[in-house]
Amino acid sequence: GAGVSQTPSNKVTEKGKYVELRCDPISGHTALYWYRQSLGQGPEFLIYFQGTGAADDSGLPNDRFFAVRPEGSVSTLKIQRTERGDSAVYLCASSRSGQSNSPLHFGNGTRLTVT
Amino acid sequence: KQEVTQIPAALSVPEGENLVLNCSFTDSAIYNLQWFRQDPGKGLTSLLLIQSSQREQTSGRLNASLDKSSGRSTLYIAASQPGDSATYLCAVPSSNTGKLIFGQGTTLQVKP
Repeated sequence: GAGVSQTPSNKVTEKGKYVELRCDPISGHTALYWYRQSLGQGPEFLIYFQGTGAADDSGLPNDRFFAVRPEGSVSTLKIQRTERGDSAVYLCASSRSGQSNSPLHFGNGTRLTVT
Repeated sequence: KQEVTQIPAALSVPEGENLVLNCSFTDSAIYNLQWFRQDPGKGLTSLLLIQSSQREQTSGRLNASLDKSSGRSTLYIAASQPGDSATYLCAVPSSNTGKLIFGQGTTLQVKP
């Protein structure tokens, strides 16, 4: 079956612009996570959805970042007034139950470059 | 605050060698510890998950151990192959969810 799909795979935008990153999780997975990975670093947690609701958004760096999952499947990460420091790979992952022993399945990420 | 560290950042070995990757964490109250593999330009693939009550897990040529009291885990790779070249990341949950705290990773190169 299909894995986690993220689009676009690459996004180049100018400083100050708005961007949306999309994640299609594995069908039936109730939990969805967004992480951000800078070069040479491990992923850093941004936000976690259980169903349609954000169960934990403590990793969002500031109010320019927002994510939604209106129907409990596809999620969109939205970044307003992008800054060069937002450049990173944004990874999405899903799991069946959301518990820590439920395997996470990661997408290939969206590489965001802010010029 | 939980911190996860992996040393070294990079490792290069000849094909066929057995090797050990290290992971340390500061707070021993963990639910589990996971090892992931990341190929360039790709997402993460889960390799092994060790529950807090377990000492080790094995999958093929991979063996992961966990010593909670000392805050350490090791990933042992037997008879390394060039196809094992990748970045290996360890992670622990900060709660009983998939909200993980990752180490910086060890980038492994296995030379033919």
